[in-house]
Amino acid sequence: DGGITQSPKYLFRKEGQNVTLSCEQNLNHDAMYWYRQDPGQGLRLIYYSQIVNDFQKGDIAEGYSVSREKKESFPLTVTSAQKNPTAFYLCASSGRGQEILQPQHFGDGTRLSIL
Amino acid sequence: AQTVTQSQPEMSVQEAETVTLSCTYDTSENNYYLFWYKQPPSRQMILVIRQEAYKQQNATENRFSVNFQKAAKSFSLKISDSQLGDTAMYFCAFMTAHGSSNTGKLIFGQGTTLQVKP
Repeated sequence: DGGITQSPKYLFRKEGQNVTLSCEQNLNHDAMYWYRQDPGQGLRLIYYSQIVNDFQKGDIAEGYSVSREKKESFPLTVTSAQKNPTAFYLCASSGRGQEILQPQHFGDGTRLSIL
Repeated sequence: AQTVTQSQPEMSVQEAETVTLSCTYDTSENNYYLFWYKQPPSRQMILVIRQEAYKQQNATENRFSVNFQKAAKSFSLKISDSQLGDTAMYFCAFMTAHGSSNTGKLIFGQGTTLQVKP
């Protein structure tokens, strides 16, 4: 079955450490997105990519970095510059062109905590 | 910039009753889409319903329907015959539609936690 796989499900970060969250999709979607979810708040867009080798900053990109070397993969790195990384991270994907207006498919998320 | 507001942080309803969740948004765009997503305790985001702004007819999906008031910038979700499995956090979301330059960016409200009581 097609879908989005996020790993790991739980991740712990030490002070000063970079960590990478994985997002893989087999839906043949061109567009992929990373959202952050904090308690009492909705999802906020970190980065998005509409095509391989291209990505744009979302509303809260500071302290994060991404790459899009393959269509199927859109990993998110939480750098040491992100001082409050504890949150639930969701990856999503959608088609391209008019299909980008279709509802996004979401992964099951990664919960990141500080040790 | 577009904003989405859900003014009800928590709501509860008795099983089999009807409940309405509120959502308002602010935009200067004329073409856009609105969504309701459900996030159960498993944390998976599940699409409930979608509304195109150019359609006057309110969208419905089985027990779920919306009241879309474009002039008032209001997009409420009605859940009829509530079931225990409807217990979840519900998010209203907005997406602009710019033709060939669509980005697919979703703007979410803060969410409403709905508890369905037996």
